Amino acid sequence: GENVEQHPSTLSVQEGDSAVIKCTYSDSASNYFPWYKQELGKRPQLIIDIRSNVGEKKDQRIAVTLNKTAKHFSLHITETQPEDSAVYFCAAPGRYGNKLVFGAGTILRVKS
Amino acid sequence: ETGVTQTPRHLVMGMTNKKSLKCEQHLGHNAMYWYKQSAKKPLELMFVYSLEERVENNSVPSRFSPECPNSSHLFLHLHTLQPEDSALYLCASSPDRGPYEQYFGPGTRLTVT
Repeated sequence: GENVEQHPSTLSVQEGDSAVIKCTYSDSASNYFPWYKQELGKRPQLIIDIRSNVGEKKDQRIAVTLNKTAKHFSLHITETQPEDSAVYFCAAPGRYGNKLVFGAGTILRVKS
Repeated sequence: ETGVTQTPRHLVMGMTNKKSLKCEQHLGHNAMYWYKQSAKKPLELMFVYSLEERVENNSVPSRFSPECPNSSHLFLHLHTLQPEDSALYLCASSPDRGPYEQYFGPGTRLTVT
């Protein structure tokens, strides 16, 4: 929806642990929820996305879950590695579907 | 070169200068976007173009002027900028406007002195 809130703003985990980042959106008609990863000095890149007709999607160590009733979706990273350290952004469609509205980002630090 | 490219990668300009940022996409996409990324407001959408028509302008000051001559090219013309305009300017494209993956360019790091 037009408002996308993302939490936490920073997250530090030990290598091998799991990391979870959560986003909430306001427009119940939203139907597409991507997650982007931006490494330091690099461009944002899509890592996983989900559409509203499914509740969960997995790709190796990353997964996204969607709760349409509560209007929130989460990114799960298991067995974290140092190369997972980056800024992660969630997004949802804006009003009228012209654009994506991005969350404020989460800085993930994986400590080895 | 494939994907989305941006030039220049770095730009330093005075407040009285006029400069332009260029974005080119080689993906056959119909929609293109300009974002401003700064520490205070990450990924702030500025403009949306669909098939060369501007479909969204997010209350951006007139010192930023976009131009989309065709669906592969997008420009951002800059004039009389302020120091607070210093940021990373990212261009992106998607197959169409709306709920699709956006492909980002590497960005232009702009410093206004």
